[in-house]
Amino acid sequence: NAGVTQTPKFQVLKTGQSMTLQCAQDMNHEYMSWYRQDPGMGLRLIHYSVGAGITDQGEVPNGYNVSRSTTEDFPLRLLSAAPSQTSVYFCASRSRQGVSGNTIYFGEGSWLTVV
Amino acid sequence: AQSVSQHNHHVILSEAASLELGCNYSYGGTVNLFWYVQYPGQHLQLLLKYFSGDPLVKGIKGFEAEFIKSKFSFNLRKPSVQWSDTAEYFCAVSPPVFSGGYNKLIFGAGTRLAVHP
Repeated sequence: NAGVTQTPKFQVLKTGQSMTLQCAQDMNHEYMSWYRQDPGMGLRLIHYSVGAGITDQGEVPNGYNVSRSTTEDFPLRLLSAAPSQTSVYFCASRSRQGVSGNTIYFGEGSWLTVV
Repeated sequence: AQSVSQHNHHVILSEAASLELGCNYSYGGTVNLFWYVQYPGQHLQLLLKYFSGDPLVKGIKGFEAEFIKSKFSFNLRKPSVQWSDTAEYFCAVSPPVFSGGYNKLIFGAGTRLAVHP
C-alpha cells in the first residue's frame, strides 16, 4: 500500500514553462486536494476534488489547473510557470465514508523552483 | 475573511519545559479541528483531531489539545517537551458544511518550535 505518491520530488522550471505535478493514491479515496506550502503562510489549498470528474477551487487557484479523470489520479498543471509559484506542493486524499475519524493522508511533497 | 490564526510563529524552549501553542479560527458553525506536525525534511503528520465529544483531545507523542467553542480556540499543549519535538506545528480547520466542509482543510501559518537540550 503506497498511500499518496507525488512525482517529481524536485523540479526546476524556467519562467513560462509548463509542467504537471502528478499525484496518485491507491486507497480508493474519493477526496483529493492540492496544497502549496510557503514560509510563514502555512499550507494553502489550491484545488480539490470530491470524486472523479468533479473539481473545485480552493484558496489560491490562479495559475493552476486540475482534472480528475480517475479516482486514483489528481494531476496539478502549471500552464505558464511564474517565480511566485516556487513552493512546496502537497497532495492529500481521504475517504468519503463518514466524517468522524477520517484521516487525511499527505504525499511527501514536491519541491518546485521557478527561475 | 474567515481564517485560522496561530499566535506564535517561532517558539524556543528548553527540554522539559511546558508547551502551549495557540490556535484560533473565525468560522461559525460546526467545524472539525486538527493539529499537524512537520519534522524537518518530512511531510505533514497528524498529531490529533477533534470532531465532537470531549473537548480535551489526546494525541500522539504526549500532545493534547483543548477545544473551547466560546473562544473559537483549539490550543495545543504538551507538559514536557523533548528535543525531538523540534518541528513546525500547524493548526487546521475544516469549515462548516455550508463553507465547503470537510472538503476543505484550512491551515494556519504554522509555529516553528525549537527545543534546546
